[in-house]
Amino acid sequence: AQSVTQLDSQVPVFEEAPVELRCNYSSSVSVYLFWYVQYPNQGLQLLLKYLSGSTLVKSINGFEAEFNKSQTSFHLRKPSVHISDTAEYFCAVLSGSARQLTFGSGTQLTVLP
Amino acid sequence: DGGITQSPKYLFRKEGQNVTLSCEQNLNHDAMYWYRQDPGQGLRLIYYSQIVNDFQKGDIAEGYSVSREKKESFPLTVTSAQKNPTAFYLCASSIANPRFRAGANTEAFFGQGTRLTVV
Repeated sequence: AQSVTQLDSQVPVFEEAPVELRCNYSSSVSVYLFWYVQYPNQGLQLLLKYLSGSTLVKSINGFEAEFNKSQTSFHLRKPSVHISDTAEYFCAVLSGSARQLTFGSGTQLTVLP
Repeated sequence: DGGITQSPKYLFRKEGQNVTLSCEQNLNHDAMYWYRQDPGQGLRLIYYSQIVNDFQKGDIAEGYSVSREKKESFPLTVTSAQKNPTAFYLCASSIANPRFRAGANTEAFFGQGTRLTVV
């Protein structure tokens, strides 16, 4: 079975500060990993994904995540956040044997002026 | 434009009523999913379908039903048996299981959601 743990439910951070949103997964087989972002009363939008190859993946708006197989982690980072990054962020995993995405409980990122 | 559409955006239901939430996609995706979102609980899978005329229960299927008569449509019915239906419902679609299509885009695309409120 696969599972995803997002340890922080709320992360407040000041504008232009760095941020890390943590994600750990549990799966005994190879995995595909995703970060989604959700703005209020909207659906989820894909932020970035890891399928294979380079363990560091980047989004177009400055976020990056690193796949760490030994620590079963896929933490999301941004060196300098903006007010517009305020949203809820979900980590998700799809293992090779599973047939559906499993999501973490989400992390609300609030960027303060 | 290709995408996934949920309707209505807001829905009110009286206790004891069944209601159906619509989900349509024109992405030619094989797989479709329904999730329920409650504050602080993330997304929980209700039902999913990997192919037309086939669907599987997710983690919280009780009180819900689905059908998959067409590839592009996956409606969700919230029945009167669902004791706490007030929530935000999200529909998603993706290609079939990626282990059969290595290298293909594997992410799920989401609709904008339907907020269901019992009154």
